[in-house]
Amino acid sequence: QVQLVQSGPEVKKPGASVKVSCKASGYTFDSYGITWVRQAPGQGLEWMGWISTYNGNTNFVQRFQGRVTMTTDASTNTVYMELRSLGSDDTAMYYCARGSPLLPLDYWGQGTLVTVSP
Amino acid sequence: EIVMTQSPVTLSVSPGERASLSCRASQSASTNLAWYQHKPGQAPRLLIYGASTRATGIPARFSGSGSGTEFTLTISSLQSEDFAVYYCQQYNRPPLTFGGGTKVEIQ
Repeated sequence: QVQLVQSGPEVKKPGASVKVSCKASGYTFDSYGITWVRQAPGQGLEWMGWISTYNGNTNFVQRFQGRVTMTTDASTNTVYMELRSLGSDDTAMYYCARGSPLLPLDYWGQGTLVTVSP
Repeated sequence: EIVMTQSPVTLSVSPGERASLSCRASQSASTNLAWYQHKPGQAPRLLIYGASTRATGIPARFSGSGSGTEFTLTISSLQSEDFAVYYCQQYNRPPLTFGGGTKVEIQ
């Protein structure tokens, strides 16, 4: 069965970076892109961007440009999302999901809570 | 960027009643529109894609309609497990924006 398993919770100080992993199984890894979505406390879902696991192409929301990197490791079927220069407003649950433009998000990881605190 | 607007923000419904949730896009999303159910402490779950196709394992009481800029999610007879927040999302063109959500609560 399709599974996306994310890395554990993180606590970071303002200005630091965080790298969250998402390990896929149960399907052909490079047939589907991986999207990252976050939810800040009390807020709705926010699409951050996606990466093609086929060729590594990425597309991000403009406000994360220059601060986010998404990479893929086909040898371990794992996608990584690194967010730099963290601020308190980056405190959120971060989800990876299988999907990309023209495809819905049909399977989701369990979420990774990132807390940014002095 | 396509802005997605959901209404109402909160919908109070009694179990067994029908619920209709609205989603409007600022530009055409064609039928590249999905609905997700999100419960506290869980990952969101895909309910509907292609505006009207139920995802695998989704009960028939969930139905979607619409195209272009106007979309509706209907739950024909609310069950206790259906009380949650529902989001629409267009996946027609990046950034793949979500609506603000509709919370369906017990009346």
